[in-house]
Amino acid sequence: AQSVTQLGSHVSVSEGALVLLRCNYSSSVPPYLFWYVQYPNQGLQLLLKYTSAATLVKGINGFEAEFKKSETSFHLTKPSAHMSDAAEYFCAVSLSPFGNEKLTFGTGTRLTIIP
Amino acid sequence: GAVVSQHPSRVICKSGTSVKIECRSLDFQATTMFWYRQFPKKSLMLMATSNEGSKATYEQGVEKDKFLINHASLTLSTLTVTSAHPEDSSFYICSARGSSSGDNEQFFGPGTRLTVL
Repeated sequence: AQSVTQLGSHVSVSEGALVLLRCNYSSSVPPYLFWYVQYPNQGLQLLLKYTSAATLVKGINGFEAEFKKSETSFHLTKPSAHMSDAAEYFCAVSLSPFGNEKLTFGTGTRLTIIP
Repeated sequence: GAVVSQHPSRVICKSGTSVKIECRSLDFQATTMFWYRQFPKKSLMLMATSNEGSKATYEQGVEKDKFLINHASLTLSTLTVTSAHPEDSSFYICSARGSSSGDNEQFFGPGTRLTVL
């Protein structure tokens, strides 16, 4: 069975500051990892995904994440926060690289941007 | 491309009534659709996986007779909450996957907020 843990249900950063959202995974087999963003009253949008091709993954809106097997982590970062980044972020793990199999989600991190 | 819609976006119903939620893939054929439930300030919990033309596969603890799922066509899946009770109030999100949607990524609908009075 696989699972993900997101540390910090709520993160606040100043506009222009570094964004760091933490995700640790547990999986009995090599995992495929995803980050999704959810804006209020909307569905989820894929930010990026790790499918074992490269450990540093670049996504949309300037976000990137690095897969670290030794730390079982897949933290999401963005060098400079923008007001439009305020949203809920979910880390997810799957046994499939395409997310077409079951996705197991973390509990989410709400990102607030301080002007 | 790869747009998934849900209808209605918001519904309020009385306890004991049934509510149907539709999930449509607008620009691709969805061979598989997933239904999730999201509690306030919580994560998404997978309820069931449905493949077009076959019975849905429900996750452990999800009542099949309570949450009826139909995937009758490649662009439409429905979730019917039968005999709804206040504890069924939640945000329901569907996602869809199809062979034509690039690398078979799941695309999520905007969700339906159900409130049972």
